Amino acid sequence: NAGVTQTPKFQVLKTGQSMTLQCAQDMNHEYMSWYRQDPGMGLRLIHYSVGAGITDQGEVPNGYNVSRSTTEDFPLRLLSAAPSQTSVYFCASSYLFGGSDTEAFFGQGTRLTVV
Amino acid sequence: LAKTTQPISMDSYEGQEVNITCSHNNIATNDYITWYQQFPSQGPRFIIQGYKTKVTNEVASLFIPADRKSSTLSLPRVSLSDTAVYYCLVGDYSGGSYIPTFGRGTSLIVHP
Repeated sequence: NAGVTQTPKFQVLKTGQSMTLQCAQDMNHEYMSWYRQDPGMGLRLIHYSVGAGITDQGEVPNGYNVSRSTTEDFPLRLLSAAPSQTSVYFCASSYLFGGSDTEAFFGQGTRLTVV
Repeated sequence: LAKTTQPISMDSYEGQEVNITCSHNNIATNDYITWYQQFPSQGPRFIIQGYKTKVTNEVASLFIPADRKSSTLSLPRVSLSDTAVYYCLVGDYSGGSYIPTFGRGTSLIVHP
């Protein structure tokens, strides 16, 4: 049982390049999300999805696109990388509804540097 | 959205008990309180969750008073390996879906 898998672990991009960060989970979770974490900061929500075909914006969505064609996968696309997008990106998944079963599982992160 | 307030940082020494308090004055009736731990270069990891009174597992205890406007994460006899950032979350719901929202967390440093 792999949990949440993110690839790549590290990436260096030049300003203006595009790329896709991959995230896959094998727990059949409805909810998946992407966060970014900057030094000394908490996690800020970029985009999230409550099921295949459904996505929505979080706190800091500008410059990022997402899609959810399957329950398992939730890729994050950087359209035109900027130095301000240098950060560590985490993907997470959990069951959809709140209450007592809301443990979120996180991937190991992707460290992205834009030069 | 429910919001939480917790200390930015705390220091402790090995063997001591550490209590981290989180304020959540606007907690809703159906919200649970969840704590996560994050080590450097890793994603957050679930520690404990509770609704009221006291919850204990092999890692920590969570104390929640009757009014549920705050909660306290208690780490017994900390070691150097407990040095991490600890996040307190309460339920954030958008259209009926739970959206975990993280603040800055509490950076705990355990000294020898």
